[in-house]
Amino acid sequence: DQQVKQNSPSLSVQEGRISILNCDYTNSMFDYFLWYKKYPAEGPTFLISISSIKDKNEDGRFTVFLNKSAKHLSLHIVPSQPGDSAVYFCAASGETGNQFYFGTGTSLTVIP
Amino acid sequence: DTGVSQDPRHKITKRGQNVTFRCDPISEHNRLYWYRQTLGQGPEFLTYFQNEAQLEKSRLLSDRFSAERPKGSFSTLEIQRTEQGDSAMYLCASSLLGFDTEAFFGQGTRLTVV
Repeated sequence: DQQVKQNSPSLSVQEGRISILNCDYTNSMFDYFLWYKKYPAEGPTFLISISSIKDKNEDGRFTVFLNKSAKHLSLHIVPSQPGDSAVYFCAASGETGNQFYFGTGTSLTVIP
Repeated sequence: DTGVSQDPRHKITKRGQNVTFRCDPISEHNRLYWYRQTLGQGPEFLTYFQNEAQLEKSRLLSDRFSAERPKGSFSTLEIQRTEQGDSAMYLCASSLLGFDTEAFFGQGTRLTVV
């Protein structure tokens, strides 16, 4: 039972343009959402997060948007850079924080 | 380096052998998680410690898997009688106690069972 879903396995974007990665979740008890970036043969690296009390959080080139009514969040990267090429995982947790539920990832390729 | 550290990075073992992995979390982090990741999938939760107490275990964690966190510091994950299906990346993460805290992952241990 996949509670966090990333329906796009891959995305290609030209350098300098915007990358938009999407994530949907099914559990209304989730109240904290995170994005991780992963390079091959390495562990995931924390990128940005958002609490359910907010609908937007920015950190430099990265912005996460949360639409609780639609149970949807997205990560915007602008401008995209070749170094952003990686697999991006969306994750969610409930108030206990006892575990994080991950999506299956979206592989982003930024073309120079 | 004050990040999460995992050892070994790679392990090749024969089916039926036992293996043990170690994780050293970020020192001030009370929470420690073990995840498993296979190709094309996201990390799957295995187990969670708060200090030395193992508070949650996934149904994925068969009786052949055991984890410990003595004294609430480093943790070990042991797999007994390994099977080919155990081949995966085993990830450890740690976080602070409290709401809305992110987990920081180690580099992972790549297990190959032949």
